[in-house]
Amino acid sequence: EDQVTQSPEALRLQEGESSSLNCSYTVSGLRGLFWYRQDPGKGPEFLFTLYSAGEEKEKERLKATLTKKESFLHITAPKPEDSATYLCAVPNSGYALNFGKGTSLLVTP
Amino acid sequence: EADIYQTPRYLVIGTGKKITLECSQTMGHDKMYWYQQDPGMELHLIHYSYGVNSTEKGDLSSESTVSRIRTEHFPLTLESARPSHTSQYLCASSNRGSNEKLFFGSGTQLSVL
Repeated sequence: EDQVTQSPEALRLQEGESSSLNCSYTVSGLRGLFWYRQDPGKGPEFLFTLYSAGEEKEKERLKATLTKKESFLHITAPKPEDSATYLCAVPNSGYALNFGKGTSLLVTP
Repeated sequence: EADIYQTPRYLVIGTGKKITLECSQTMGHDKMYWYQQDPGMELHLIHYSYGVNSTEKGDLSSESTVSRIRTEHFPLTLESARPSHTSQYLCASSNRGSNEKLFFGSGTQLSVL
């Protein structure tokens, strides 16, 4: 069964303190790994798609990387506005995305 | 900017009422989805559609039903709401061949008393 596991569940950082979020997956025939950001009371917002091991994508202070078993979302010098829940997802065998539970990130001034 | 809209944003209703959650998108996307999300939990797919007159149930069993009569509209209906239906309901859409990049609405937070 396709599975997505994210760690840690929650992360608290000081402003400027860099860190990484992890997403491990078990899926046969990966057709992309997706990262989303979700703010409280809102729907997830698309960040990145990665398709092959070794691929990297960047957006402002975020950089996503992919290996054959996991993906990392690196946050460099975070700001309070980066506080959100970060979701990882992979397409399942049929039709839609399987999401992990997410990492709740809090960045304090 | 994704153009997918859900109404209402919040709904508090009594047990036994019939409710319909609305979802519309203006992007001409073929695929549409309903996910259910409880606090601190992952999103679970409850319904999806590949196009007009196409509807399928997702991984999570749900007592709700959906219809897809027009490309842009994908409403979700609960015939008789119960407290166990209290949750956030998220609608999403994607284009054919987009490798499942989903655009989400802001969600409907449903509370059944």
